[in-house]
Amino acid sequence: KAGVTQTPRYLIKTRGQQVTLSCSPISGHRSVSWYQQTPGQGLQFLFEYFSETQRNKGNFPGRFSGRQFSNSRSEMNVSTLELGDSALYLCASSRGQGAGLQFFGPGTRLTVL
Amino acid sequence: GENVEQHPSTLSVQEGDSAVIKCTYSDSASNYFPWYKQELGKRPQLIIDIRSNVGEKKDQRIAVTLNKTAKHFSLHITETQPEDSAVYFCAASKGGSYIPTFGRGTSLIVHP
Repeated sequence: KAGVTQTPRYLIKTRGQQVTLSCSPISGHRSVSWYQQTPGQGLQFLFEYFSETQRNKGNFPGRFSGRQFSNSRSEMNVSTLELGDSALYLCASSRGQGAGLQFFGPGTRLTVL
Repeated sequence: GENVEQHPSTLSVQEGDSAVIKCTYSDSASNYFPWYKQELGKRPQLIIDIRSNVGEKKDQRIAVTLNKTAKHFSLHITETQPEDSAVYFCAASKGGSYIPTFGRGTSLIVHP
């Protein structure tokens, strides 16, 4: 079974721009969660999508948004980028909603200049 | 919400020694505790997990213990090897529709 994939793997943007990241879960997994990982804050939960609906949301500003498609693929969007948005963005998929076995993707390294 | 504290933030050991990483959680309703290993530049990977109906679980050189009363759980690695060097994250979850809360991570360095 193919693992979780994320595209692109690396991205460089400038302040004020917007970015869209993509995550394809393991086949059969219906839950996709997004995390932001930085050296200072560790792994911080952004949001979770299950069956095309946002089920859980972390404590991030409205500039961070996402969606999930009928094939369970998910996209995350960050608008009006700030320098502090530079991070590794990880998605994780699991079979059911919420907790349980989560499999992480390789991440998208976003650098905001 | 749930709060997970992880200690130490850095752990340096000699090859062959044991390593112990401890986590405490705040929500007594949490019942699922996974541990992830993240090597430099790679994705976090689940290495072991434990549910609240079990006190200890082992998988070769890795073991996890859980003390529900004290609300803490620990990762034990025996006979450490240089390839064990990585950042280890603990997490706690209430199961069901709840997302895990992660600890800040422990950077384990195993010196040959």
